[in-house]
Amino acid sequence: DQQVKQNSPSLSVQEGRISILNCDYTNSMFDYFLWYKKYPAEGPTFLISISSIKDKNEDGRFTVFLNKSAKHLSLHIVPSQPGDSAVYFCAASEDNDKIIFGKGTRLHILP
Amino acid sequence: DVKVTQSSRYLVKRTGEKVFLECVQDMDHENMFWYRQDPGLGLRLIYFSYDVKMKEKGDIPEGYSVSREKKERFSLILESASTNQTSMYLCASSGRRGPYGYTFGSGTRLTVV
Repeated sequence: DQQVKQNSPSLSVQEGRISILNCDYTNSMFDYFLWYKKYPAEGPTFLISISSIKDKNEDGRFTVFLNKSAKHLSLHIVPSQPGDSAVYFCAASEDNDKIIFGKGTRLHILP
Repeated sequence: DVKVTQSSRYLVKRTGEKVFLECVQDMDHENMFWYRQDPGLGLRLIYFSYDVKMKEKGDIPEGYSVSREKKERFSLILESASTNQTSMYLCASSGRRGPYGYTFGSGTRLTVV
């Protein structure tokens, strides 16, 4: 049973515009959420995270929003740049346990 | 610069072969993980280890085993490789319990023919 869901396999966004990647989860006990970014032939790298006690966390061009009542989080990238083209994994954890990843969304930034 | 090194970038093995995938980290991390990445399935946890000689099953352990004889090395073993084990294998380590500070290796692309 998939606990972390990324329902969009891919997304294309014009350079300079906002990219919004969405993630839903089913386990209400998740208390920590993360986004990882992966380029081809490289391992995933940590991008940004948020604790369940917050509803927003910002780091430069990247902002993560958490809506606990809807069990939904989103990653906003503003402005989108060519180097942002990658696969983005949403991930979650419960009670300081290991990470559970979603299936990933491939983001294409168009020139 | 901290590193997780996976011994091979590409491997081609025959069905039925015993396959060893090696992972070494130089960060003195307690925790190590093996994932596989498949299109449409994302990252799935195979096995993990929170200490030397300790191992725990992840979500998809069938057909795999692991070995952790030294803190820095975590090996994934395919006892008898099958074509459905063709995948990208990713090793990760972290220095504390919980979802923090995972560092991934670059991956091993295994093809079983």
